[in-house]
Amino acid sequence: EVHLVESGGTLVQPGGSLRLSCAASGFTFSSHSITWVRQAPGKGLEWVANIKQDENERYYVDSVKGRFTISRDNAKNSVYLQMNSLRAEDTAVYYCARDYFFYIDVWGKGTTVTVSS
Amino acid sequence: QSALTQPPSASGSPGQSVTISCTGTSSDVGGYNYVSWFQQHPGKAPKLIIYEVTTRPSGVPDRFSGSKSGNTASLTVSGLQAEDEADYYCCSYAGSSSYVFGTGTKVTVL
Repeated sequence: EVHLVESGGTLVQPGGSLRLSCAASGFTFSSHSITWVRQAPGKGLEWVANIKQDENERYYVDSVKGRFTISRDNAKNSVYLQMNSLRAEDTAVYYCARDYFFYIDVWGKGTTVTVSS
Repeated sequence: QSALTQPPSASGSPGQSVTISCTGTSSDVGGYNYVSWFQQHPGKAPKLIIYEVTTRPSGVPDRFSGSKSGNTASLTVSGLQAEDEADYYCCSYAGSSSYVFGTGTKVTVL
């Protein structure tokens, strides 16, 4: 069974940094792009970033460019989201999800990031 | 990267049908046959119910169906059941490995 588990979410002060992790299992991890999607409290879903299978291509929504970095370790079946210069508007549940060739199919349960002083 | 437009709410009685629209542009919905739909119950992760405009993943009831015309995609839930009460989001591939989601529709079963 395909499984994605996020971790690393916590309370952080504005301007701070945080690294989220996503551990995958149940599929050939190195064959799939992985995506991060976030959902602010009471709001809709927002695509955040995507990393291709071999890590050579990474894409970001404009609002996080220059602040967030997505990376992966295929040997550990893991994806990471390094978040710097965090703002209150980055407060959200962050989901990692498998990219199944032009659509997102399986999601993790999410990890909560709260940016507040 | 503007969100796709969905109605905020939709409702129907058990057994009835509801249809949710999802309007984008020629750069997303109209440009690709990669529209998907997700169902999200409160406090839960989204669940894929339609992909590639019309295809249902294994295990998703055939009460759920999708379509697309031009820049607008639609999800129809037929034979509404109590467990269908949830938030529904459309999503379109938007090029360069990016995606854009809809604003979300809360479906209420009366």
